[in-house]
Amino acid sequence: GAVVSQHPSWVICKSGTSVKIECRSLDFQATTMFWYRQFPKQSLMLMATSNEGSKATYEQGVEKDKFLINHASLTLSTLTVTSAHPEDSSFYICSARDLQRGSYNEQFFGPGTRLTVL
Amino acid sequence: AQRVTQPEKLLSVFKGAPVELKCNYSYSGSPELFWYVQYSRQRLQLLLRHISRESIKGFTADLNKGETSFHLKKPFAQEEDSAMYYCALSGPTSGSRLTFGEGTQLTVNP
Repeated sequence: GAVVSQHPSWVICKSGTSVKIECRSLDFQATTMFWYRQFPKQSLMLMATSNEGSKATYEQGVEKDKFLINHASLTLSTLTVTSAHPEDSSFYICSARDLQRGSYNEQFFGPGTRLTVL
Repeated sequence: AQRVTQPEKLLSVFKGAPVELKCNYSYSGSPELFWYVQYSRQRLQLLLRHISRESIKGFTADLNKGETSFHLKKPFAQEEDSAMYYCALSGPTSGSRLTFGEGTQLTVNP
């Protein structure tokens, strides 16, 4: 239980294009999802908190117009990297909370999406 | 500001030896501490959390509020324990957001 999926698992795009990454909670409803970015051999950096039916809360230094987050349903959040550039190349990971299971603050993680911008 | 520090980026031990992965934190209030593990080519998964005070795969971690530490320990390391370990913190003022440490890559040699 408490499975989170991401799609695609990897994507290569040209500079200047936009890329959408999906995060789904498969067997539970997630009112809150989180988006992280992870550079090679580094820790996870929280980018934003995605709340179902409302605007995402972005961490300091994260451009909200660059990284568009939509959480239209209780099982789906999307991250769109707009006008992607090579420096946006990274591993993007989402997580979700399942209030029915685990502690209030426990998060369940997706497998991640590897984005490469040429 | 909340912060999690894992002083060792790399830790290497032999099979059967005790292992301790260090984690220190700074937080104003009562935090909730977690250890997450990431095995090679797998997603991040919860190993244990301090509120449950449980032992998972032989690992234990005790929250020491005086020393603001949450070290992860296992008396006899196994090769399958080789992975990346992240200490993480959350608390009432962080809105359930997790702050991760830098991670420690544990290698258990045969």
